[in-house]
Amino acid sequence: GEDVEQSLFLSVREGDSSVINCTYTDSSSTYLYWYKQEPGAGLQLLTYIFSNMDMKQDQRLTVLLNKKDKHLSLRIADTQTGDSAIYFCAESIRGFQKLVFGTGTRLLVSP
Amino acid sequence: KAGVTQTPRYLIKTRGQQVTLSCSPISGHRSVSWYQQTPGQGLQFLFEYFSETQRNKGNFPGRFSGRQFSNSRSEMNVSTLELGDSALYLCASGTRGTGATDTQYFGPGTRLTVL
Repeated sequence: GEDVEQSLFLSVREGDSSVINCTYTDSSSTYLYWYKQEPGAGLQLLTYIFSNMDMKQDQRLTVLLNKKDKHLSLRIADTQTGDSAIYFCAESIRGFQKLVFGTGTRLLVSP
Repeated sequence: KAGVTQTPRYLIKTRGQQVTLSCSPISGHRSVSWYQQTPGQGLQFLFEYFSETQRNKGNFPGRFSGRQFSNSRSEMNVSTLELGDSALYLCASGTRGTGATDTQYFGPGTRLTVL
């Protein structure tokens, strides 16, 4: 089945690390993605990980994938107020040019 | 390289009307997908086109249709608009045409309001 779940809200202080979690159900997913959406804007691709990888680091972003538990996380180091946005995880469905999105996590970074 | 462009950015229509939204993918990208974003249902896949052919379709009524032109530009049409069609419609473009999934880049969206 296709279902992606995320917690709805996360609040951190500037300079702290943020960890946004996601669980998915489709074991045939090939790629898993993290997108960022700021108010009134479209989706900005942040990073992605192939399903046979455990970890990917990209500057301040670290993605961890636990395929056994179907758990994906995004860690943002040294979180800044400009990181305040909604973060979506998404899984690709094997063989289809289609993404299944989570509900989104609203990240609020306070000074 | 220019990103994905969508026109118009904002649209107000009344119930029963129809609407056409346009999407120009990133140069060289041949796949265009459409998604609907609403507060209640989140982001949902509408359909995907590659080389002027619809390859995948989401679970939406037949009032939602689309097409793709030879230059990869795509349009989606919604006929007989309902209040529930009010949403942000997002277009995404990608490169791979084999049916395997590739990375999709999104445009800014068209905000449709149905009164």
